[in-house]
Amino acid sequence: DAKTTQPPSMDCAEGRAANLPCNHSTISGNEYVYWYRQIHSQGPQYIIHGLKNNETNEMASLIITEDRKSSTLILPHATLRDTAVYYCIVRVPWTGTASKLTFGTGTRLQVTL
Amino acid sequence: GAVVSQHPSRVICKSGTSVKIECRSLDFQATTMFWYRQFPKQSLMLMATSNEGSKATYEQGVEKDKFLINHASLTLSTLTVTSAHPEDSSFYICSANLDRGNTEAFFGQGTRLTVV
Repeated sequence: DAKTTQPPSMDCAEGRAANLPCNHSTISGNEYVYWYRQIHSQGPQYIIHGLKNNETNEMASLIITEDRKSSTLILPHATLRDTAVYYCIVRVPWTGTASKLTFGTGTRLQVTL
Repeated sequence: GAVVSQHPSRVICKSGTSVKIECRSLDFQATTMFWYRQFPKQSLMLMATSNEGSKATYEQGVEKDKFLINHASLTLSTLTVTSAHPEDSSFYICSANLDRGNTEAFFGQGTRLTVV
């Protein structure tokens, strides 16, 4: 799995968009970008994933650069409940081992009033 | 989405005793489940892969005789921490995924183990 680099922490005001960057310059052609988050003392939660096109679901949007070397997770209207550690992971999406993940240090997002 | 449930969510045990943690896939079958460990202020570290009907596969540095894994059915994997010591105190998390279809992982809520 390709290695990722994320800022250790970010702050965001409630109601504002939170833009979380991730660098994955060594990503290979068949690797997808996955985002998970972990709220304090809970198990991680899947957010979104994509290959090269931008993706959007009810939780977030994922913007992947054309060269695929970086991406940004966007929470359009952050709330206090979005305070969590966000993990960017790149991997080949084999269904049998989808849960075998290598977690980096992630970005600790603090949403404030 | 699919639901993975862990039990107990929190346990305190004495040094030298054993503790069993259960991980269940509630609405799907999982031939493979994964166990992670997370120390305070650190990231999740994969401990082992639990395979239904066969032996678990352990990551380098994880003692298989200390962390016993049993995956006797398609919906249940158990992790037993044997002869627990204070340094085993940690947050243990299991995960599973659909055998086909979606490729995202589903995680249990975690078990906070404290060994005193």
